[in-house]
Amino acid sequence: GNSVTQMEGPVTLSEEAFLTINCTYTATGYPSLFWYVQYPGEGLQLLLKATKADDKGSNKGFEATYRKETTSFHLEKGSVQVSDSAVYFCALSSYNNNDMRFGAGTRLTVKP
Amino acid sequence: DTEVTQTPKHLVMGMTNKKSLKCEQHMGHRAMYWYKQKAKKPPELMFVYSYEKLSINESVPSRFSPECPNSSLLNLHLHALQPEDSALYLCASSRGVPGEGLETQYFGPGTRLLVL
Repeated sequence: GNSVTQMEGPVTLSEEAFLTINCTYTATGYPSLFWYVQYPGEGLQLLLKATKADDKGSNKGFEATYRKETTSFHLEKGSVQVSDSAVYFCALSSYNNNDMRFGAGTRLTVKP
Repeated sequence: DTEVTQTPKHLVMGMTNKKSLKCEQHMGHRAMYWYKQKAKKPPELMFVYSYEKLSINESVPSRFSPECPNSSLLNLHLHALQPEDSALYLCASSRGVPGEGLETQYFGPGTRLLVL
């Protein structure tokens, strides 16, 4: 079945550091891939998405590229801010799937 | 506009109470979802409504009863809950329905439920 594996957290970085959160997936067919962010006490917000191989999703300085050959969708940001502190979920949805499969989530803390 | 609203934001209830959670979207989305999220865990799917009809029930106990009165509204009726049901309950919607395409789900802010 479809699944998502996300790097274990928590991740603690200093402000302006480079961020990578790894995400790999297993799926039949051609899934769409997503990153959602959850700030403390809030629901999930869509951060970015990619719907086909080699697509790059980007938003608010975050980027992720859909790599079919490595079945990966790693999240990156060149310079993190304290306001980026949140939990990040990688997720996939495939054409015939009945639901969205989430990774375990990675908690990011950015210190000033 | 990709807003999904949920009320109430917080809810405390006893094990004998009956309460309801409400979710609303005005994006014309045809699928609506209920998820349960425990602390430090990803959301877990509970129910899916496609075209206002229940299409997926992920073996959720009958003390949770969903209802979709119209295409914009989704309710979750709660009765005789247990303390372990305390969690964040998230509603989501998508333009397309499961099995008909690859659609982004948009989430509401959630209702934080505490069962005493």
